[in-house]
Amino acid sequence: GAVVSQHPSWVICKSGTSVKIECRSLDFQATTMFWYRQFPKQSLMLMATSNEGSKATYEQGVEKDKFLINHASLTLSTLTVTSAHPEDSSFYICSGGITYEQYFGPGTRLTVT
Amino acid sequence: GENVEQHPSTLSVQEGDSAVIKCTYSDSASNYFPWYKQELGKGPQLIIDIRSNVGEKKDQRIAVTLNKTAKHFSLHITETQPEDSAVYFCAASKWGADGLTFGKGTHLIIQP
Repeated sequence: GAVVSQHPSWVICKSGTSVKIECRSLDFQATTMFWYRQFPKQSLMLMATSNEGSKATYEQGVEKDKFLINHASLTLSTLTVTSAHPEDSSFYICSGGITYEQYFGPGTRLTVT
Repeated sequence: GENVEQHPSTLSVQEGDSAVIKCTYSDSASNYFPWYKQELGKGPQLIIDIRSNVGEKKDQRIAVTLNKTAKHFSLHITETQPEDSAVYFCAASKWGADGLTFGKGTHLIIQP
C-alpha cells in the first residue's frame, strides 16, 4: 500500500520557538496533502489542504500565519509551527491523497514547554 | 459543513464475536466513506472504504455498508481477534481532493 513518512516522530520545543515537520509520500506522488491535528483521546481535525505548487487552503479557525505549509514537490509537504505555545502541543498527522484514498503518516508528537 | 456522528464511543466484545460501529453524516453531497484503525501513538490506517455508488463492500472479516437515503454507514468486523483492539474512526468527504471529516472514534476492546 501507499506509504507516508513524517519527521520527526516527536519533538519538544520551548515556547516562542518554531518547529518544522516534514511529510513525505514514499512510493506515490501526492498532488494533494492534508494536515490534521489530534488532541489526546480526540478525533482528527483537518487543519489545511496543501496542493503542490500552490498556496495551502486552511480550515476555519486555523491561523495561516502560525501554521505555515509548503508543498514544494509531489512527495514533500512541510508544516512549520511558528512561535509555538503550550496550547499548540498536539499530535500532527499528514496524509497524501490518491484519487479518493488518503494514506496517513505515523504522526508527529509536538510538546511545547 | 459536514458533520459525522459515530456510535458507540466504546465497544467491548468477546473474542470471536462480531462488532458493529455506526456512523451518520449530514452532507448529502459526501460520496466517499473510509474507515480507519488507529493504534495508540500511531497514525490512522485505512482498513476499508466505500463510495456512494456502492451499497456494500467486503474484505475478508471486514465489511462496510452504506445507506445513502438515511445517510448512514456501518463497519462490521466478524470473528474478532485480540489484534482488532484499537480505536476506529469513520470519515466522509465529498470527493478525492477534499479533506476528511472524522467521527469521534470508537474504542473497540476485544475480551479474551
